[in-house]
Amino acid sequence: DTAVSQTPKYLVTQMGNDKSIKCEQNLGHDTMYWYKQDSKKFLKIMFSYNNKELIINETVPNRFSPKSPDKAHLNLHINSLELGDSAVYFCASSRGTGQYFGAGTRLSVL
Amino acid sequence: GDSVTQMEGPVTLSEEAFLTINCTYTATGYPSLFWYVQYPGEGLQLLLKATKADDKGSNKGFEATYRKETTSFHLEKGSVQVSDSAVYFCALSMEYGNKLVFGAGTILRVKS
Repeated sequence: DTAVSQTPKYLVTQMGNDKSIKCEQNLGHDTMYWYKQDSKKFLKIMFSYNNKELIINETVPNRFSPKSPDKAHLNLHINSLELGDSAVYFCASSRGTGQYFGAGTRLSVL
Repeated sequence: GDSVTQMEGPVTLSEEAFLTINCTYTATGYPSLFWYVQYPGEGLQLLLKATKADDKGSNKGFEATYRKETTSFHLEKGSVQVSDSAVYFCALSMEYGNKLVFGAGTILRVKS
């Protein structure tokens, strides 16, 4: 069973569109995260939720809106997609030290 | 702010060679330290961790020791295999459940 699963794995879309990425974890963790990995492999935190409450928002444009319907899910909705949004987006979860990552969603904005 | 600096890659080694990937950090307190590995086309996997000074994390033949005096957490393996080819990320976390701050990643290529 996959511990942290993201869908879709690949997402190709046009500039200006709105898209969502879904994340689910079956580890019983309290905290979930979204990270962005750019073309040079650099990883940076975007958001963190603990028990459905937002605890980290790292100066991400407000076109990005995370939503946590319950503590096992953290979805990412992106409005008005731009070329610079092209990246791999990773979801992660944790309870103590150390985070567990999903396989990533490769977003390509054309 | 908190930051992590890793040696630049790519690092290219022959099978059974000794591996060292340097990692140093800057933090205002006492972070937990991690190494993550990313195999081609996959997500990140936690390789090992250390939560306090002088702790040694180890897994799959890899080791790293938390050195507070040199603010370092260098990754080592005595004998690398082709299957170790991946990108290795050093990271720190300042608080329980807090964000990870990553280094830039080091590409490792192992040739047979």
